[in-house]
Amino acid sequence: GDSVTQMEGPVTLSEEAFLTINCTYTATGYPSLFWYVQYPGEGLQLLLKATKADDKGSNKGFEATYRKETTSFHLEKGSVQVSDSAVYFCALSDARDDKIIFGKGTRLHILP
Amino acid sequence: GAVVSQHPSWVICKSGTSVKIECRSLDFQATTMFWYRQFPKQSLMLMATSNEGSKATYEQGVEKDKFLINHASLTLSTLTVTSAHPEDSSFYICSARVVGARTGELFFGEGSRLTVL
Repeated sequence: GDSVTQMEGPVTLSEEAFLTINCTYTATGYPSLFWYVQYPGEGLQLLLKATKADDKGSNKGFEATYRKETTSFHLEKGSVQVSDSAVYFCALSDARDDKIIFGKGTRLHILP
Repeated sequence: GAVVSQHPSWVICKSGTSVKIECRSLDFQATTMFWYRQFPKQSLMLMATSNEGSKATYEQGVEKDKFLINHASLTLSTLTVTSAHPEDSSFYICSARVVGARTGELFFGEGSRLTVL
């Protein structure tokens, strides 16, 4: 079945460092891809999404490009801030059944 | 953005008792709500899809008689863990889709942590 694999955490970086969180997926169809973020004490929020190959989702300085050839959707940010500390979930949704499948999440700690 | 609220956020119960968790969409109507279970350092596992006015659709391996889901209105879905046991201890999260929204535009509750003694 469909699945999402993302890098193990926690990831600890200093403020203003470059961030990459890897995500790869397995799907039989042509899924939409998402990154969700969960800040401490809050529910999950949609961070960005891409619905077809080569699309780039972006929000709050974060970017991810839908790479069909490598089945990847890596999350990047050029300069992280302490406020970016959270758990990030990569996810996919197959339009056939409208369900969202999540990766295990990657906890990010940004040090001042 | 739209707000989804879960209650209680934290509950402890004795083994053998039942616990009800509510999921409310506060400022929008949701014909579809989803219930997830999250184990420590694990992904969110979809348990069931709750549709207003009809029976929930359960994922394979999820006991529907143990995890009762009711979606009686466009703003409320409930998950009842019946005859809870320690292995049911987990973090339960609901999400809701705004009526007419496209795939993936879900709004999540803060989660409910259940501890069964």
